[in-house]
Amino acid sequence: RKEVEQDPGPFNVPEGATVAFNCTYSNSASQSFFWYRQDCRKEPKLLMSVYSSGNEDGRFTAQLNRASQYISLLIRDSKLSDSATYLCVVTNYGGSQGNLIFGKGTKLSVKP
Amino acid sequence: DGGITQSPKYLFRKEGQNVTLSCEQNLNHDAMYWYRQDPGQGLRLIYYSQIVNDFQKGDIAEGYSVSREKKESFPLTVTSAQKNPTAFYLCASMGNRGNTGELFFGEGSRLTVL
Repeated sequence: RKEVEQDPGPFNVPEGATVAFNCTYSNSASQSFFWYRQDCRKEPKLLMSVYSSGNEDGRFTAQLNRASQYISLLIRDSKLSDSATYLCVVTNYGGSQGNLIFGKGTKLSVKP
Repeated sequence: DGGITQSPKYLFRKEGQNVTLSCEQNLNHDAMYWYRQDPGQGLRLIYYSQIVNDFQKGDIAEGYSVSREKKESFPLTVTSAQKNPTAFYLCASMGNRGNTGELFFGEGSRLTVL
């Protein structure tokens, strides 16, 4: 089992749709969880941290399920500008110790 | 504005040549990282450094070398020993506040071996 797995997609959705991505991780001792967004041929940028209690930022909701070892990202009312690849990131020890594991990303394409 | 600057953005190299990618940050971050990204793939860690004059190998360090003589600078050399160097290279740094895990990336350097 890979350390961090994501459905590669692509997810093709119409504007206004709700879309959800899941990411599973194999190390039960993983400590911190993040969603990054990467536009085509650009660098990744932090979208959201994922907290145990779940967190919401506008149209974006992130959740963590430690028992099942997955995190999720929900995007409501999709916009054309949401088209990007969404990367799941998991840290296994202290974040600065280099042990950040990236998923391969899920590609989202929002169509008019 | 604070940030990370990578150069060059695009680089072409002949087989057998070493090339050095520059990474400079003015965020006063201690930790810096080099990743490689291939098409349709996630980021793979090449090297990282938590403090000046110290660095650690990542998952794919073979054929690469780094130095960390200054806090602001973490250059990556792609040596001729790297068998498949064509890729998108990303430098990042991490903030010092409680190991948040938030990485700040440069815009990347795209290396093509001819």
